[in-house]
Amino acid sequence: ETGVTQTPRHLVMGMTNKKSLKCEQHLGHNAMYWYKQSAKKPLELMFVYSLEERVENNSVPSRFSPECPNSSHLFLHLHTLQPEDSALYLCASSQEEGRNQPQHFGDGTRLSIL
Amino acid sequence: DQQVKQNSPSLSVQEGRISILNCDYTNSMFDYFLWYKKYPAEGPTFLISISSIKDKNEDGRFTVFLNKSAKHLSLHIVPSQPGDSAVYFCAASGSFRARGGNQFYFGTGTSLTVIP
Repeated sequence: ETGVTQTPRHLVMGMTNKKSLKCEQHLGHNAMYWYKQSAKKPLELMFVYSLEERVENNSVPSRFSPECPNSSHLFLHLHTLQPEDSALYLCASSQEEGRNQPQHFGDGTRLSIL
Repeated sequence: DQQVKQNSPSLSVQEGRISILNCDYTNSMFDYFLWYKKYPAEGPTFLISISSIKDKNEDGRFTVFLNKSAKHLSLHIVPSQPGDSAVYFCAASGSFRARGGNQFYFGTGTSLTVIP
């Protein structure tokens, strides 16, 4: 139990579908993150939120839309995805949006685009 | 361009022996380094970290060594146990970033198998 819960664990969707990934942290952290992990590639940071404000968007295509309604919840809304978007999507949180702080990860959502 | 590299995709070690996992980085501005451990179907779990002001940090069976001149990081596990079998990721961050969160650059991971 890492304190960071992601749902669903697996998701299969067509390219025209709209779906959302959900992340919830029970650690009282103020910063939350979305990462993408593709096969044989390192984790790629997608978005960073601190105190519900987006502070980083690493050139992510607009078909990925994050939402952070409060410091405990983070969503990733998906629309018109491409096959190359199939990957493991990981959510993480840290105490603050600062350096020198480990991030705590959820178990990820395995996304497959048909 | 990958700034953190783990050149060994896999490593096998006998139980009780030492496991040494290596990591190289290219950006001299990195000043904080971490190791994560990942079991199948689970997210990465923080293992140990080191700041660039140190060259060694120890936590139980795990020791991280930092060689700044060589831009090299290693994780030693001794003695290795079968439960240590997992994928190990190194990550680095640096003070060169403006406000933009706690961005870590990750390696691709090394899969460690500890043979009973």
